[in-house]
Amino acid sequence: SQKIEQNSEALNIQEGKTATLTCNYTNYSPAYLQWYRQDPGRGPVFLLLIRENEKEKRKERLKVTFDTTLKQSLFHITASQPADSATYLCAPPPTGTYKYIFGTGTRLKVLA
Amino acid sequence: KAGVTQTPRYLIKTRGQQVTLSCSPISGHRSVSWYQQTPGQGLQFLFEYFSETQRNKGNFPGRFSGRQFSNSRSEMNVSTLELGDSALYLCASSGGSVNTGELFFGEGSRLTVL
Repeated sequence: SQKIEQNSEALNIQEGKTATLTCNYTNYSPAYLQWYRQDPGRGPVFLLLIRENEKEKRKERLKVTFDTTLKQSLFHITASQPADSATYLCAPPPTGTYKYIFGTGTRLKVLA
Repeated sequence: KAGVTQTPRYLIKTRGQQVTLSCSPISGHRSVSWYQQTPGQGLQFLFEYFSETQRNKGNFPGRFSGRQFSNSRSEMNVSTLELGDSALYLCASSGGSVNTGELFFGEGSRLTVL
C-alpha cells in the first residue's frame, strides 16, 4: 500500500543551524508533495508544495527538494530560530479516490 | 477571508455518549475532509465530502459518520463513545476557484472521553 514515512524521532538543533527533515514515500509516485507546520493543539498550516518536475523550491528560509529516484523529499530550515519549533508534516496529493494521507510528522525543537 | 471554523473547540463526554462536531469551510471551498489526531498516531483520515457526497472514508468503525450540507458546512458524529476516541479532530477545506491542492485546516475540536 502507499506509504509516507517521516522520522518520528524528535530533532533537536541549535539556533542558527540548518534543520533537515526527511519524507520518504513508497509504492507510488506522487505528482507533488506538500509540507505543513503544526503547532501543539492547533491545525496544520500549509508551507510549501513541490511538484515532481521541480528539483527544489524556496520560500524565505525554507527549502524543499524532491528526488523521484530516491523517492524522497527533504525540507530544510536555514538559520533556524526557536520560533521554528513545531511538528512538520509531509503529504502527497490525495489518491484517485480522494483519500488523504499524511506522514506522522517530525517534531523539531530549536534550542536557544 | 474567514478561515475554517470548527466548533466546539473543547468538549468532555463520557463513555457511551455521542458527539457532533461542526466544520465551516472557507467560502467557496466545496471539499471538506476530517481527521483524527492522537499522540503518536499522526493525522488519520476519517472521510471526505464534496458537494454533499462522501467520496471516500478511512479505516474507522461505523460509529464515525459525517455529512455535508448544501452550503458546504460539514458535521461529523461519533456514537457510543469509547475512551480511545479521545483525540483532536481536525477538518480541512479545499477546492476554491483556484484549486492548488492546499488544505486549509481549522483549529480542531479537542474531545476528551471519560
